[in-house]
Amino acid sequence: DAKTTQPPSMDCAEGRAANLPCNHSTISGNEYVYWYRQIHSQGPQYIIHGLKNNETNEMASLIITEDRKSSTLILPHATLRDTAVYYCIVRAPGAGKSTFGDGTTLTVKP
Amino acid sequence: GAVVSQHPSRVICKSGTSVKIECRSLDFQATTMFWYRQFPKQSLMLMATSNEGSKATYEQGVEKDKFLINHASLTLSTLTVTSAHPEDSSFYICSARSWASQPQHFGDGTRLSIL
Repeated sequence: DAKTTQPPSMDCAEGRAANLPCNHSTISGNEYVYWYRQIHSQGPQYIIHGLKNNETNEMASLIITEDRKSSTLILPHATLRDTAVYYCIVRAPGAGKSTFGDGTTLTVKP
Repeated sequence: GAVVSQHPSRVICKSGTSVKIECRSLDFQATTMFWYRQFPKQSLMLMATSNEGSKATYEQGVEKDKFLINHASLTLSTLTVTSAHPEDSSFYICSARSWASQPQHFGDGTRLSIL
């Protein structure tokens, strides 16, 4: 699986958009980008995933660059409950496992 | 949809005890399940991957005789920590996936404390 690089921490004001970047410059053509988050002392929660096109669901939007070497997770209106560690993972469908890096700790401030 | 139930949520037991943790996919069939361990202020560490009806594949450094994994059905996997010792105290998290390209869905974790 391709390695990902994320900033260790970010702050965001409540009500503003949170934009979390992920670099995956060695991504292969068949590897998907997945985003998860983990709120303190809970199991991770799936947020969104995509292959090439931008994706949007009720939680977030995923913007993948044309060369697929980086992506951005957008939480359009961050709330205090969005404070969590956000993990970006790239994985091919045939690969058995997902390896978690250190993620980005997002702190939403009032 | 895509709910994974894990229990117990917390276990406190004496050293030498064996502890079983269950992971169930409630509304989908999980062809693959994963077990992770997480120490305080660290990321998730994959322990093993299991496919229904097959033996689990353990990550390097994880003792398969100590951490017994069974994935006997498409909705249930169990992790048994045998003869647990204080160093096995950790947060254990399972996840399940239906098809290869689908995302993993996680349980709420089990906090294991060995006295």
